[in-house]
Amino acid sequence: GAVVSQHPSRVICKSGTSVKIECRSLDFQATTMFWYRQFPKQSLMLMATSNEGSKATYEQGVEKDKFLINHASLTLSTLTVTSAHPEDSSFYICSAKRGQIYGYTFGSGTRLTVV
Amino acid sequence: RKEVEQDPGPFNVPEGATVAFNCTYSNSASQSFFWYRQDCRKEPKLLMSVYSSGNEDGRFTAQLNRASQYISLLIRDSKLSDSATYLCVVNTGNQFYFGTGTSLTVIP
Repeated sequence: GAVVSQHPSRVICKSGTSVKIECRSLDFQATTMFWYRQFPKQSLMLMATSNEGSKATYEQGVEKDKFLINHASLTLSTLTVTSAHPEDSSFYICSAKRGQIYGYTFGSGTRLTVV
Repeated sequence: RKEVEQDPGPFNVPEGATVAFNCTYSNSASQSFFWYRQDCRKEPKLLMSVYSSGNEDGRFTAQLNRASQYISLLIRDSKLSDSATYLCVVNTGNQFYFGTGTSLTVIP
């Protein structure tokens, strides 16, 4: 089955630093990948849609200069949280779309803690 | 109005019980529907797609009611391992919308 690999699974960083999260589709090509954030006891919230070879589309309220997305190949999308602050601490999950009938395949998530 | 609404629960049921979750969606043009399971601090995993005619997978039955715009998930003979959060997901156009999830705890 389709596998999406996400790294790192857990990261602790100091306030003001940047963190890069990678999302790879291992056995299929993903022209579109999605980045979500999930705060405790809340649902997944779409942050942005990552399109291979073009600029990402950000949801309202998500700062594109703070959450940099790069989708340079058909199998890799990266999310960089720049100048991280404690309020950015969250569970970040990527996913790739395999077509309408397959829904999403999710990465294993990255738990970011900013101290 | 939210695209997808779900009762967050929690549902606490004894082992062996039957439990049902509903999820309503607002856009009548929504095309496909899914139930995902999410364990604590893990990524969501596809449990089953929901087909117009209803579908069953072992102890799990999913149904779609387009007229009333809701989908349901029925779990029979609940096991301890069924304890998780169940998310309904609705595909509308090029977007997938998530419910907030329903928390289920199966008690011995």
